Amino acid sequence: DVKVTQSSRYLVKRTGEKVFLECVQDMDHENMFWYRQDPGLGLRLIYFSYDVKMKEKGDIPEGYSVSREKKERFSLILESASTNQTSMYLCASSLTWEAGELFFGEGSRLTVL
Amino acid sequence: GQNIDQPTEMTATEGAIVQINCTYQTSGFNGLFWYQQHAGEAPTFLSYNVLDGLEEKGRFSSFLSRSKGYSYLLLKELQMKDSASYLCAVLDSNYQLIWGAGTKLIIKP
Repeated sequence: DVKVTQSSRYLVKRTGEKVFLECVQDMDHENMFWYRQDPGLGLRLIYFSYDVKMKEKGDIPEGYSVSREKKERFSLILESASTNQTSMYLCASSLTWEAGELFFGEGSRLTVL
Repeated sequence: GQNIDQPTEMTATEGAIVQINCTYQTSGFNGLFWYQQHAGEAPTFLSYNVLDGLEEKGRFSSFLSRSKGYSYLLLKELQMKDSASYLCAVLDSNYQLIWGAGTKLIIKP
């Protein structure tokens, strides 16, 4: 059974703190993605990666960075968390670049106070 | 700009049929996807259309008209467990997924 695992389901952080969200997939997928999901908005792409050590900016990369040191792991980093980064963060992976079938993790709900 | 429109919320009765519409304006088209997302859970893939017409998969069917920029998801014999949000997404010419805001479907007994 395919699986995408996100390290934390719920986090509460203070403004200015550094936040790490980790994602691991066990499907040997090339592509991995970080989205944020907010009420009334479609999923918005933060960053994606199509290979180890490769990363590409999505639609809303400001305030975020990513790391992909191993194929199965894709981390999202908030260098200095702000209240407007309170959101649900979803990690996903896909087999090929052309594939729109994504496999999602359970999500990490981040609250920044 | 790119845009995907779908109704915010719909209500239907257990056992009935419901159609969730999705219209899109995107830079190119490489396929349309429907995902289901139960509250507090991850989205899961439901269907994929790249050619015009109807794709049937059990109680769920998805229709596409590329000329009209239109799709719908049809759910038959509704069950309480179908209460969820349904997300429409289009793969554009750059193979980026453009997402609608989702339709929250409420099933009443």
